[in-house]
Amino acid sequence: AQSVAQPEDQVNVAEGNPLTVKCTYSVSGNPYLFWYVQYPNRGLQFLLKYITGDNLVKGSYGFEAEFNKSQTSFHLKKPSALVSDSALYFCAVTYWASGTYKYIFGTGTRLKVLA
Amino acid sequence: DAGVIQSPRHEVTEMGQEVTLRCKPISGHDYLFWYRQTMMRGLELLIYFNNNVPIDDSGMPEDRFSAKMPNASFSTLKIQPSEPRDSAVYFCASSSDPGMVGTEAFFGQGTRLTVV
Repeated sequence: AQSVAQPEDQVNVAEGNPLTVKCTYSVSGNPYLFWYVQYPNRGLQFLLKYITGDNLVKGSYGFEAEFNKSQTSFHLKKPSALVSDSALYFCAVTYWASGTYKYIFGTGTRLKVLA
Repeated sequence: DAGVIQSPRHEVTEMGQEVTLRCKPISGHDYLFWYRQTMMRGLELLIYFNNNVPIDDSGMPEDRFSAKMPNASFSTLKIQPSEPRDSAVYFCASSSDPGMVGTEAFFGQGTRLTVV
């Protein structure tokens, strides 16, 4: 079955330190990969996406993600975390199957940046 | 554009009652999605429309749930009859054609539904 995995329910990091939020996927073909962020009582906001091309994708708020086809991973990274980055992060995949687009979200990882 | 607009923001209803959630997508977006978010199951895609036509409703939990999109600027998600286990935050999202450039979705602020 097609799936997206975010193995960590929560990631804690000290302010100013680099952060990584992990995502792996199991999808056939060439999926589109996304990261979204959700702040309390808000909808999801788009951060960045990988469609094709350069494996390192840069997005909003200083975030970036590295696509690794051999490891089927798309980890979210930021060189220096801010307290305001504390939120819930979702990895998502879009792919074509059975004549339609399919959409899968990971279960989310709560990022806590400690001052 | 004001973004994806959902109403109401909060809904409390009694078990057995009909509930209707509403969504106005971003103008020009051909795709509209309904998601449900719970602590237990995370974010689940219920159904999505393309050009007002339901494309994939495999995520709709059961016959009590129905969704319509009578025109390009309006969609409803209806639960009849509602049950306590339907309590969740329901999100509507819209996007343009994902096949063109793999476009991202824009989410509304959600409707928090509580069924007592």
